[in-house]
Amino acid sequence: KQEVTQIPAALSVPEGENLVLNCSFTDSAIYNLQWFRQDPGKGLTSLLLIQSSQREQTSGRLNASLDKSSGRSTLYIAASQPGDSATYLCAVAYSGAGSYQLTFGKGTKLSVIP
Amino acid sequence: KAGVTQTPRYLIKTRGQQVTLSCSPISGHRSVSWYQQTPGQGLQFLFEYFSETQRNKGNFPGRFSGRQFSNSRSEMNVSTLELGDSALYLCASSLEARGVGYTFGSGTRLTVV
Repeated sequence: KQEVTQIPAALSVPEGENLVLNCSFTDSAIYNLQWFRQDPGKGLTSLLLIQSSQREQTSGRLNASLDKSSGRSTLYIAASQPGDSATYLCAVAYSGAGSYQLTFGKGTKLSVIP
Repeated sequence: KAGVTQTPRYLIKTRGQQVTLSCSPISGHRSVSWYQQTPGQGLQFLFEYFSETQRNKGNFPGRFSGRQFSNSRSEMNVSTLELGDSALYLCASSLEARGVGYTFGSGTRLTVV
């Protein structure tokens, strides 16, 4: 059974700092890995998707890496801003029973202090 | 274009009742997945529908069921509600059931009292 773990569970940083969020998964037979952002009481917004054959993806101040063999991914946020405050979720997609499903970590709650 | 619409946004039910939640996907999307989110367990996969067929199901009791209509709208039903069913229920739609391109709705907050 695929399990996804995110460390730390919560993180508080001053504005302007660079930070790294960690995600690990137990089964390396994944189709892709995705990072989402969730604001309080809201749904999920897709941030970055890394296919299993890729090593990293970048979007603006965000960079995600994937090391499938070790079952790890990191999300790097540069020059953090108060608007980055949210919960960040890591999810791995894998195929099973003729379909794909996402298994999520429990998230890292980020607070960026002005 | 319109996003994924979930109705209702909030719901309060009593133990033992049943509830039906609705999800309208993005136009053209044929896959709808449902997830339960609780503080203790995080996001857990319930089931996925593609072209009116359930393609995959998570590890939830039979009290949780769903269906998809020909216009791709989906409903999930929970019978004999328990206190532990209190959660945020999220649905996500995608063009095809291929593990990418998910757009999530804002969810239905269900409280069981």
